[in-house]
Amino acid sequence: EAQVTQNPRYLITVTGKKLTVTCSQNMNHEYMSWYRQDPGLGLRQIYYSMNVEVTDKGDVPEGYKVSRKEKRNFPLILESPSPNQTSLYFCASSGQHTLTFLTFGAGSRLTVL
Amino acid sequence: QKEVEQDPGPLSVPEGAIVSLNCTYSNSAFQYFMWYRQYSRKGPELLMYTYSSGNKEDGRFTAQVDKSSKYISLFIRDSQPSDSATYLCATPLGRLYFGRGTQLTVWP
Repeated sequence: EAQVTQNPRYLITVTGKKLTVTCSQNMNHEYMSWYRQDPGLGLRQIYYSMNVEVTDKGDVPEGYKVSRKEKRNFPLILESPSPNQTSLYFCASSGQHTLTFLTFGAGSRLTVL
Repeated sequence: QKEVEQDPGPLSVPEGAIVSLNCTYSNSAFQYFMWYRQYSRKGPELLMYTYSSGNKEDGRFTAQVDKSSKYISLFIRDSQPSDSATYLCATPLGRLYFGRGTQLTVWP
């Protein structure tokens, strides 16, 4: 089944404890992206990647890192999480340069205490 | 001004009603317009997309774009409780711009 897989789906952590949210897609898509979704603010892009070894900042990149060493994986790294990073995170991928069809993962709900 | 503006609602309608969901956008260079549907505790999924102006119909759903007024609409006919979700409009231009989403509840 064509899909985007995120892990973990739920995580409660404490301020300053480094964590990684993994994202993997099995559709050979070149484009991958991370979003966070907060009530009243909608989906906001954190980072995106047009291809392997190519990443760029979105609207809210502060406090996050990403890497794209392989086409299928695009992990999101929080080096020193803070409570304002408590959010619902989505990874998405697309095989079209027009970005008309994004496939989203099921989401990762992160709580930073 | 945000590139895409969407009234977040919430919108609550009885089963069988016609629902109209709307967005406005600012950049006349936008060409593709999409609607994503997001059920509670799920990721968004593409519902429909249109290119340039005009209408596109898929079953009970009609997507409409009016480029002269920079207005995007999604109509749902004979709405069902299973249509209860958040609907997000989106348009790409180098990157994807999302509206904030409208939360729709269809009650039996």
